[in-house]
Amino acid sequence: DAKTTQPTSMDCAEGRAANLPCNHSTISGNEYVYWYRQIHSQGPQYIIHGLKNNETNEMYSLIITEDIKSSTLILPHATLRDSAVYYCIVSRSGGGADGLTFGKGTHLIIQP
Amino acid sequence: DTAVSQTPKYLVTQMGNDKSIKCEQNLGHDTMYWYKQDSKKFLKIMFSYNNKELIINETVPNRFSPKSPDKAHLNLHINSLELGDSAVYFCASISGGQETQYFGPGTRLLVL
Repeated sequence: DAKTTQPTSMDCAEGRAANLPCNHSTISGNEYVYWYRQIHSQGPQYIIHGLKNNETNEMYSLIITEDIKSSTLILPHATLRDSAVYYCIVSRSGGGADGLTFGKGTHLIIQP
Repeated sequence: DTAVSQTPKYLVTQMGNDKSIKCEQNLGHDTMYWYKQDSKKFLKIMFSYNNKELIINETVPNRFSPKSPDKAHLNLHINSLELGDSAVYFCASISGGQETQYFGPGTRLLVL
């Protein structure tokens, strides 16, 4: 699976949009971009994933660049409860036999 | 209802002891995993288990042995515990048709 690069930490004001970048320049065309978040040592939680197209669900948007080498997770209206570590992971199948390879993630801090 | 559960939540024990951590999922998933998150917060895959096929991360010492009595359970037995085994252990599961992993709440192991 391709490696990912994320900023170590980011701050965002409560109520504003949080944009979390991820670089995955070695990704191949059949690999998905997954996002998970981990709140204070709880188990990681799935957020969203995409292959080549942008994706949106109730709480998040995933924007993937046309060359698929980078992506951005968007939290449209960040709340204090969104403070967590966000992991960007590239995988062909969401884990399969090899599991997920977690990097260091981005520690998102929402400021009141 | 909890999708993936682990027991115990906390485990404090002496060096050299043998201990087990239990994991159960009620999602009907086919594949289960054990991950380890160390003090530096790196989350690493240890094992995956699917239809009695065990995939072992080569860095895991053979003191660690997963045991699956049935498809819904994957327990982790650790022999001769060492100080470096102190970590949070997460169980996870995934369905063959799904692309997202569901994580348990974690077991916090402290070896003294």
